[in-house]
Amino acid sequence: EDQVTQSPEALRLQEGESSSLNCSYTVSGLRGLFWYRQDPGKGPEFLFTLYSAGEEKEKERLKATLTKKESFLHITAPKPEDSATYLCAVRPLGGATNKLIFGTGTLLAVQP
Amino acid sequence: DTGVSQDPRHKITKRGQNVTFRCDPISEHNRLYWYRQTLGQGPEFLTYFQNEAQLEKSRLLSDRFSAERPKGSFSTLEIQRTEQGDSAMYLCASSHTSVFRSYNEQFFGPGTRLTVL
Repeated sequence: EDQVTQSPEALRLQEGESSSLNCSYTVSGLRGLFWYRQDPGKGPEFLFTLYSAGEEKEKERLKATLTKKESFLHITAPKPEDSATYLCAVRPLGGATNKLIFGTGTLLAVQP
Repeated sequence: DTGVSQDPRHKITKRGQNVTFRCDPISEHNRLYWYRQTLGQGPEFLTYFQNEAQLEKSRLLSDRFSAERPKGSFSTLEIQRTEQGDSAMYLCASSHTSVFRSYNEQFFGPGTRLTVL
């Protein structure tokens, strides 16, 4: 069964303290791995798409990387406004499905 | 604002009542998705449309749930005879089909928070 696991469940950082979030996945085939940011009471906001092992994407203080079994979201010198839940999702290759399978997210709190 | 919009943003209803939610996708997007999210969980797929055709439904979508996209633009999600377990955030997303994979991202709306008393 296709599955996405994110760790840690929650992470508290001091402003400027860099760290990484992990997303491990088990799918029959991968048509894309997606990172979203979600603020409380709002819908997920798209951040990155990764398609193949070795691929990297960057946006401001965030960098996403992909291997054959997991993805990392690296946060460099975070600021309090980076506080949010970060969701990872995969789009399986099998069949005609276009659904995304999400992990449960990592709740990030950045303290000033 | 040209993003995905959803209405209402909040809905409180009594058990057994019917509710209907609306989603307006990004105008040039031909795919529309419905997800459900409960507290502390990631969104779970319910169903999706390509234009007006409903192409996939999750087993989570019981007989009490029905979705439509009559003209390939906006969509409605109706829940009949609501139950307390239906309380959740209902999210709509849209995307554009293309042979170029960069267009496969799904963009989400703000969601409709349903509370069933």
